[in-house]
Amino acid sequence: DTEVTQTPKHLVMGMTNKKSLKCEQHMGHRAMYWYKQKAKKPPELMFVYSYEKLSINESVPSRFSPECPNSSLLNLHLHALQPEDSALYLCASSGQRSPGYTFGSGTRLTVV
Amino acid sequence: GIQVEQSPPDLILQEGANSTLRCNFSDSVNNLQWFHQNPWGQLINLFYIPSGTKQNGRLSATTVATERYSLLYISSSQTTDSGVYFCAVSEKLVFGKGTKLTVNP
Repeated sequence: DTEVTQTPKHLVMGMTNKKSLKCEQHMGHRAMYWYKQKAKKPPELMFVYSYEKLSINESVPSRFSPECPNSSLLNLHLHALQPEDSALYLCASSGQRSPGYTFGSGTRLTVV
Repeated sequence: GIQVEQSPPDLILQEGANSTLRCNFSDSVNNLQWFHQNPWGQLINLFYIPSGTKQNGRLSATTVATERYSLLYISSSQTTDSGVYFCAVSEKLVFGKGTKLTVNP
């Protein structure tokens, strides 16, 4: 079982909908990440939170809005998405005590 | 930015065979990981290996940081080893394009 939990596992939304993806970890990691992965491509970094503050935004469109309510939770708010935003969205965390990144199982998003 | 190249892009093996996957990177790094992505999309952390050699069961990895490459060895492959193997480097975790491994029974 993964130590990073993502919900929901699957999401279908219309272009006018508002939805949120959730990510939770209880490993005491202080850095959390959102990645986007299109089919047959590698994951690409979207956002980095370090100590609950947004430290990196890789020029992601404003229809994606991240939020880190506390050190264990990371949300990705979605609004007015386009069909090309359909992808696997992966959350990850990392910490100083345990090197390396741990990924969640992802949310497979389809925009219709 | 840093470039990560993986080879081969595709690899087909018979069960029981051994294989070597390679990752080249364009700049010095202090973070390198190997991941296995299963057919359901889960990225499984295989090794955190910015330098040196590590082994875990049938898998082992070696990173030669001064020459900017890393190798992943899979011995006695099993059908469950199928999937995509990614190398990723740097604090932003820049991924290579991956090696798609298919192990046939």
